[in-house]
Amino acid sequence: ETGVTQTPRHLVMGMTNKKSLKCEQHLGHNAMYWYKQSAKKPLELMFVYSLEERVENNSVPSRFSPECPNSSHLFLHLHTLQPEDSALYLCASSLVQGDYNEQFFGPGTRLTVL
Amino acid sequence: GQNIDQPTEMTATEGAIVQINCTYQTSGFNGLFWYQQHAGEAPTFLSYNVLDGLEEKGRFSSFLSRSKGYSYLLLKELQMKDSASYLCAVLDSNYQLIWGAGTKLIIKP
Repeated sequence: ETGVTQTPRHLVMGMTNKKSLKCEQHLGHNAMYWYKQSAKKPLELMFVYSLEERVENNSVPSRFSPECPNSSHLFLHLHTLQPEDSALYLCASSLVQGDYNEQFFGPGTRLTVL
Repeated sequence: GQNIDQPTEMTATEGAIVQINCTYQTSGFNGLFWYQQHAGEAPTFLSYNVLDGLEEKGRFSSFLSRSKGYSYLLLKELQMKDSASYLCAVLDSNYQLIWGAGTKLIIKP
């Protein structure tokens, strides 16, 4: 596999469920990102990891919990979500965090919360 | 606050030229990106401008005016496959990417 992969591609969950989104990058990058993309809204940066350390948490509700076990993998653990959390969740990576290097995106997970 | 403005939707004809504008007000500036996102797919990098002027890359060109807080993406010889959303993003003084909401471009035969 090449680039940035995400699983699952689609997820439907109830408000009481617990699920996890997975992201893997095969680019040798040191920074990884979680974004939320809602229709007709700008991409919202949720979390940033650099060298497996969290460097950014943009006031994201605690029902979203990230995990970065190594520089190639990133998870987003979900629990007790709300219907307004339904969106496309995109993972991205870049060579380093905090500079002009382009970000490479995965195809996203389309999340629906019932 | 920080703000990126771009039109919500544009329509153009196959074979024609279209210009997608982006204006920004950010805390500092370390460059501007354009990404293309086809429906249901990942955004992919198109261009990065940090100096004023026009950068050409095949059928796509990107222009930047830092004094005006303005950029545009120019697409020539439009093809049906160019139907997509085009995202403008600015790298601010903290090297955080500030994103616009995207412009949905519809190409008609």
